[in-house]
Amino acid sequence: EPEVTQTPSHQVTQMGQEVILRCVPISNHLYFYWYRQILGQKVEFLVSFYNNEISEKSEIFDDQFSVERPDGSNFTLKIRSTKLEDSAMYFCASSEGAAQSSTQYFGPGTRLTVL
Amino acid sequence: RKEVEQDPGPFNVPEGATVAFNCTYSNSASQSFFWYRQDCRKEPKLLMSVYSSGNEDGRFTAQLNRASQYISLLIRDSKLSDSATYLCVVNPYNAGNMLTFGGGTRLMVKP
Repeated sequence: EPEVTQTPSHQVTQMGQEVILRCVPISNHLYFYWYRQILGQKVEFLVSFYNNEISEKSEIFDDQFSVERPDGSNFTLKIRSTKLEDSAMYFCASSEGAAQSSTQYFGPGTRLTVL
Repeated sequence: RKEVEQDPGPFNVPEGATVAFNCTYSNSASQSFFWYRQDCRKEPKLLMSVYSSGNEDGRFTAQLNRASQYISLLIRDSKLSDSATYLCVVNPYNAGNMLTFGGGTRLMVKP
């Protein structure tokens, strides 16, 4: 069964450093997403991406965040200057169609630890 | 008021028991509803979508009450492997493709 994959599984970084989290969505999917989950808290939407552009973003997704689909398979989340409060599990997800009609499949996540 | 609200639990039940979880949502125009399951430190996985007429998948039954803005999940004949956190998830109206998650209800099934 096709899966969303994410690398790395765990990233440790110093405050102020840039990090890039990588995702390979399911191959025939057209919609891509990033969510995050701070330890012990709920899953929160960050951004959705369709047709090579951001379609929605939350208040969390400020100027420090950016997303890119650099080639036909990868989807990345960049945090420009990490803060302690960015420590969380970051989940990539993809869906074949829009959320109203298609399941979002989640990757295993990248645990980001900012020291 | 939280957008999607759930009792965090934990619900501790013996194997074979029937257990029900509830969830309320604040946006009355929400259009899509789901139950996801999340094991400890793992990704959310879709358990089932929730339809207006109610739907069943094996031991799992989901119901939607739009008038009360209320979603439920019933698990019959609980198995040890059902132990997990159950996430109520809503696609709010006019929110495009974002999913809004509840905080989850933790279920622990004991032998």
